[in-house]
Amino acid sequence: SAVISQKPSRDICQRGTSLTIQCQVDSQVTMMFWYRQQPGQSLTLIATANQGSEATYESGFVIDKFPISRPNLTFSTLTVSNMSPEDSSIYLCSVVSGDGYTFGSGTRLTVV
Amino acid sequence: EDQVTQSPEALRLQEGESSSLNCSYTVSGLRGLFWYRQDPGKGPEFLFTLYSAGEEKEKERLKATLTKKESFLHITAPKPEDSATYLCAVPQAPGGGNKLTFGTGTQLKVEL
Repeated sequence: SAVISQKPSRDICQRGTSLTIQCQVDSQVTMMFWYRQQPGQSLTLIATANQGSEATYESGFVIDKFPISRPNLTFSTLTVSNMSPEDSSIYLCSVVSGDGYTFGSGTRLTVV
Repeated sequence: EDQVTQSPEALRLQEGESSSLNCSYTVSGLRGLFWYRQDPGKGPEFLFTLYSAGEEKEKERLKATLTKKESFLHITAPKPEDSATYLCAVPQAPGGGNKLTFGTGTQLKVEL
């Protein structure tokens, strides 16, 4: 199964600023998925990132707020822009791997 | 629209007290059902994939089963280290990409 390295593991940010989250996979993958997990909630898909094309965003999520970069088949970034306290969540990346999906360890974001 | 419902929301067991978690799903053309374990502040850890009704998979004290409408995660003689949130998820129907729809999870607490 793929191994994902996700950074940072946590951060506390001021409202109005932006944070970029990185995911590095130890093998080449076609699609990478970005999820948000709000406190006490389950995972909600933000967008799907394919290398060489624009990310596909789910309803309720827009590129201006969550721009995604996918420069190659092993790396992706998600930026949370112009943050507000409502953006406080765990953000996770994921890839299809083996018999299922592998997830990064998550980025716990707190916006103050 | 695909739906995944988990019950109970929370479960408290004594060490050694076996029980089952439920995952009910509504999806057009099941392409697999996944079980994950998630520890606080961490990304989901893959447990099982089930593909067809009647299929069963085991790992240590966990056994997952699948019917046409639901899946069960049976925990036999649990230990405190089994305490976690258990999530189930299904891939969206063909045409929906490889996106996962997650249930809201069962928060399991095993006490001495």
